[in-house]
Amino acid sequence: KQEVTQIPAALSVPEGENLVLNCSFTDSAIYNLQWFRQDPGKGLTSLLLIQSSQREQTSGRLNASLDKSSGRSTLYIAASQPGDSATYLCAVFGSGNTGKLIFGQGTTLQVKP
Amino acid sequence: GAGVSQSPSNKVTEKGKDVELRCDPISGHTALYWYRQSLGQGLEFLIYFQGNSAPDKSGLPSDRFSAERTGGSVSTLTIQRTQQEDSAVYLCASSLGQSKWAQYFGPGTRLLVL
Repeated sequence: KQEVTQIPAALSVPEGENLVLNCSFTDSAIYNLQWFRQDPGKGLTSLLLIQSSQREQTSGRLNASLDKSSGRSTLYIAASQPGDSATYLCAVFGSGNTGKLIFGQGTTLQVKP
Repeated sequence: GAGVSQSPSNKVTEKGKDVELRCDPISGHTALYWYRQSLGQGLEFLIYFQGNSAPDKSGLPSDRFSAERTGGSVSTLTIQRTQQEDSAVYLCASSLGQSKWAQYFGPGTRLLVL
């Protein structure tokens, strides 16, 4: 059974720092991995999708990497801003080719001005 | 273009009543998903539609839960005889197809069962 773990559960940093959020999964036979952010009381916003054949994806100040063999993905946020404060969730596409996402518990990020 | 929309945004009901939650996917998205987010369980998959059929219903927690999709578009999630443990945020997502496509989420319906 696929399990997804995110470390740390919470993170507080001063504005301007570069930071890394970690995601690990137990079954390396994934199709893809998607990173989301969730603001309090809101739905999920898609940040990056990494196909299983890719090693990384970039969007603005965000860079996500994928290492299937070790069952790990990282989300790198450069020059953090207070507006980056949110919960970040990673999710892997599960088996059976249905596109069912299996989520980690999330990392809650606070960026202090 | 318009994103995924869900209604109602909030629903308060009494234990034992039936509720219907609606999802309007992004136009042209053939795949539609329902998830549930609760404090103790995180985000859990409920059901997946491809077109109007549901090849994966494995996440529905009991036979009180059902869902349908019509016209390859709008979907309704119905919870019969609601229980307090059904209180959660119900999220809908859609994508161009399965597996390799990104999923885009709606704002969710916050259900509170008293």
